[in-house]
Amino acid sequence: EADIYQTPRYLVIGTGKKITLECSQTMGHDKMYWYQQDPGMELHLIHYSYGVNSTEKGDLSSESTVSRIRTEHFPLTLESARPSHTSQYLCASSPRQGANNSPLHFGNGTRLTVT
Amino acid sequence: AQSVTQPDIHITVSEGASLELRCNYSYGATPYLFWYVQSPGQGLQLLLKYFSGDTLVQGIKGFEAEFKRSQSSFNLRKPSVHWSDAAEYFCAVGEGNQFYFGTGTSLTVIP
Repeated sequence: EADIYQTPRYLVIGTGKKITLECSQTMGHDKMYWYQQDPGMELHLIHYSYGVNSTEKGDLSSESTVSRIRTEHFPLTLESARPSHTSQYLCASSPRQGANNSPLHFGNGTRLTVT
Repeated sequence: AQSVTQPDIHITVSEGASLELRCNYSYGATPYLFWYVQSPGQGLQLLLKYFSGDTLVQGIKGFEAEFKRSQSSFNLRKPSVHWSDAAEYFCAVGEGNQFYFGTGTSLTVIP
């Protein structure tokens, strides 16, 4: 099983608050990703990273930021939460070595509700 | 951009019956293909993957999938479904460092 951890599992927060979703992996993977998942929709890529000090924006990145100071840690920050941010957030990782498309390993997600 | 289509939003099967979940993709070259399963409140777990070679790949939990280039398909199959297989199933295509997911198929298993 993949060792990738997300905290908190559930979060209810008011509009305008700043929040950080945590993601850590113990597999030494270089590549890490944040996805947003809504029912009946495909996963949307928010941000990704190829390694320390590397971050790239995905499709839905405009309202959030990430950092990659350590290989194992890839937190996602929403500066000002809005009800439209209510969703499930999934963190994933994969190794850089080997085939470009090594499978993604996913955490259990953070279910965010913004009131 | 690549795309992945899962035509069936929801499927119901009886326990012990066979299962086939459909997946079609659009991609010019030989794709990297994956099937994931997601139980309620959980992340996605890899069932199987196809990179090259034998077009019939075996995965965990008794699942298999067949890559058919002529049909741009990568359908997931299981000969005999168990109640614990009830979950959401996602097909995905990998290209470079990006992954493209389908919208998922929800599987209900009835006794």
